[in-house]
Amino acid sequence: DTGVSQDPRHKITKRGQNVTFRCDPISEHNRLYWYRQTLGQGPEFLTYFQNEAQLEKSRLLSDRFSAERPKGSFSTLEIQRTEQGDSAMYLCASSLSLGLAGVETQYFGPGTRLLVL
Amino acid sequence: DQQVKQNSPSLSVQEGRISILNCDYTNSMFDYFLWYKKYPAEGPTFLISISSIKDKNEDGRFTVFLNKSAKHLSLHIVPSQPGDSAVYFCAASGDGGSNYKLTFGKGTLLTVNP
Repeated sequence: DTGVSQDPRHKITKRGQNVTFRCDPISEHNRLYWYRQTLGQGPEFLTYFQNEAQLEKSRLLSDRFSAERPKGSFSTLEIQRTEQGDSAMYLCASSLSLGLAGVETQYFGPGTRLLVL
Repeated sequence: DQQVKQNSPSLSVQEGRISILNCDYTNSMFDYFLWYKKYPAEGPTFLISISSIKDKNEDGRFTVFLNKSAKHLSLHIVPSQPGDSAVYFCAASGDGGSNYKLTFGKGTLLTVNP
């Protein structure tokens, strides 16, 4: 059983450059989430997809950030004109929503650690 | 404004003893609570969850207790093992009727000494 995978695991970039991260969720999962974790903090919700539709974006997600899930499978998160404050761990998670009440367990990938110099 | 609080940044226990990790929340709209464990350089791993209609959920060595009136939950690990050493995050969902967005605490670093 393949878990959530993320690529790359590490990225170092210079301020002002664009970066793109990829997430491959667990294959049968229809929901995909992006979170950001900075040092000493817990993960913070950024956005989520139900299949290919992006249904919510956090106010943390400035207009320099864009996420896609074009075919309802893998997702990409792009950050344009990176700033030093974007340095963080970017985590992807997926879950299976059956439209029932109750919490859905979100399974996380290993994360992409971004360092903006 | 931190809606989920883990006030103990770290906890150290002896192998075989009980570990108790605490979590408080302020948002009464939360109705599901989860605990995740995180090792360095890995993503969080789901441990156990509890619905607000219950006050206890048990899975092997892990038990979560929920005191809804106090807006407090705790994770008990018995017996603690060195492999349990990790950062433990408390998370909550259900705010505004959503069951997808998790709100995390800052985490507690558990060290289990042999």
